[in-house]
Amino acid sequence: SQQGEEDPQALSIQEGENATMNCSYKTSINNLQWYRQNSGRGLVHLILIRSNEREKHSGRLRVTLDTSKKSSSLLITASRAADTASYFCATAPLISNFGNEKLTFGTGTRLTIIP
Amino acid sequence: DGGITQSPKYLFRKEGQNVTLSCEQNLNHDAMYWYRQDPGQGLRLIYYSQIVNDFQKGDIAEGYSVSREKKESFPLTVTSAQKNPTAFYLCASSAGGTGYTFGSGTRLTVV
Repeated sequence: SQQGEEDPQALSIQEGENATMNCSYKTSINNLQWYRQNSGRGLVHLILIRSNEREKHSGRLRVTLDTSKKSSSLLITASRAADTASYFCATAPLISNFGNEKLTFGTGTRLTIIP
Repeated sequence: DGGITQSPKYLFRKEGQNVTLSCEQNLNHDAMYWYRQDPGQGLRLIYYSQIVNDFQKGDIAEGYSVSREKKESFPLTVTSAQKNPTAFYLCASSAGGTGYTFGSGTRLTVV
C-alpha cells in the first residue's frame, strides 16, 4: 500500500531556480525520509526528519514536516543539472520492531533541471 | 568500501522458470529488504528480514520467496507463480534510524 503521495508528479525548472516537492501521508509516523533516484539506478538517502522535528537542512536541501497536516516538503535551492532525478518520500511507522523501520514509499516526483 | 551489491544487473526469465536475484551487503546491517518498482511508480515491499533466519512478507509477497541464512546475504527467488515478474528489483539494508542503503538494482524481463 502506498503511504505517501508526492506532488507534483513531474516538475521542470531552469537551472539555478529552487525546486519544491511535497509529500502527504495517511498514518502517524516515527520519521519521514527523502530519497533520490537517478534513471535506472538505486535510491540514495538524502535526509531524515523525525516526527518531533519541524525543519531540517542538509547542504542545498531543506525539509519541513507538519505532522498536524501529515505533510512534508523538500526544497532544493540553486538547482543544478545534476539534480535531475526522481525524488521519493518514505515514511517509517510509529512503532518499529528492533529499531529497523519498514518504510513505505510514495510514488515520486520526477524533477528535470533545464540547463 | 561498504555497500550493497546486487547481481545480475539484467536478467531474462522464460515462462515457467524460477530465477534468483542476489543481494549481498558488507555494512553489518541487521535488516534487509526487497522492493519491486514498476515503470513510473513507487516502490512496493516484497519481503523483509530484521535478523538472520527470520523474514516477513511485505505487501506483494505472492510468487516470491527469500532466505536469510547469513547476515550478509538476502537472495530473492522469483517463482513461476509470479505472473507478472517484469520489473526493476531493489534490495536495501538498514541499521535502524538512519535510512536505507540501496543496491543498484536488477532489471528482470520475461522473454
